Amino acid sequence: DTAVSQTPKYLVTQMGNDKSIKCEQNLGHDTMYWYKQDSKKFLKIMFSYNNKELIINETVPNRFSPKSPDKAHLNLHINSLELGDSAVYFCASSQLNTEAFFGQGTRLTVV
Amino acid sequence: GENVEQHPSTLSVQEGDSAVIKCTYSDSASNYFPWYKQELGKRPQLIIDIRSNVGEKKDQRIAVTLNKTAKHFSLHITETQPEDSAVYFCAASKGGGADGLTFGKGTHLIIQP
Repeated sequence: DTAVSQTPKYLVTQMGNDKSIKCEQNLGHDTMYWYKQDSKKFLKIMFSYNNKELIINETVPNRFSPKSPDKAHLNLHINSLELGDSAVYFCASSQLNTEAFFGQGTRLTVV
Repeated sequence: GENVEQHPSTLSVQEGDSAVIKCTYSDSASNYFPWYKQELGKRPQLIIDIRSNVGEKKDQRIAVTLNKTAKHFSLHITETQPEDSAVYFCAASKGGGADGLTFGKGTHLIIQP
């Protein structure tokens, strides 16, 4: 009965490949997010999405795109992976302006 | 957009002593300020939060204070224990839309036995 679950936990892939990370929440939250945590542990929001709006952090390359088939899912697609994309990616969900619950993270390594 | 500064980046305290982590934010419209604890290899988890209509909140050994005028907020941990060792993040958001949280850069808290 995990609240926010994301798969896979580890992802190793070659430069230039396209990959996806899946996220699901069973909390009934309206808003889901993707955060990137780099090697210095800095947590930065990439996207936030509810059924009304998608907010994209302007620093995120357009190779990254969120896809939400329904309110409980927000998947992250990454095209043409680069070495600098290596990081831990966290999915999260919340009701607006309340506690965000995080998934366990996906450690992406691009080689 | 919002900018959150967090200090110090590393804090080492003796077990049993108190620890204080400070954050400042830039957007006066921010009204929700959570603190997250992240243990090595784990997900961030909320430990305490405060809203802009409150100046202080306490939960056992943890307390948070907020000064809206100065736009800063602090985390206080008393009687520190080894299990308090982790990275702590402050964050701010202003709601109203799906803005998400703007995080500080984190504080690595080390509890010395």
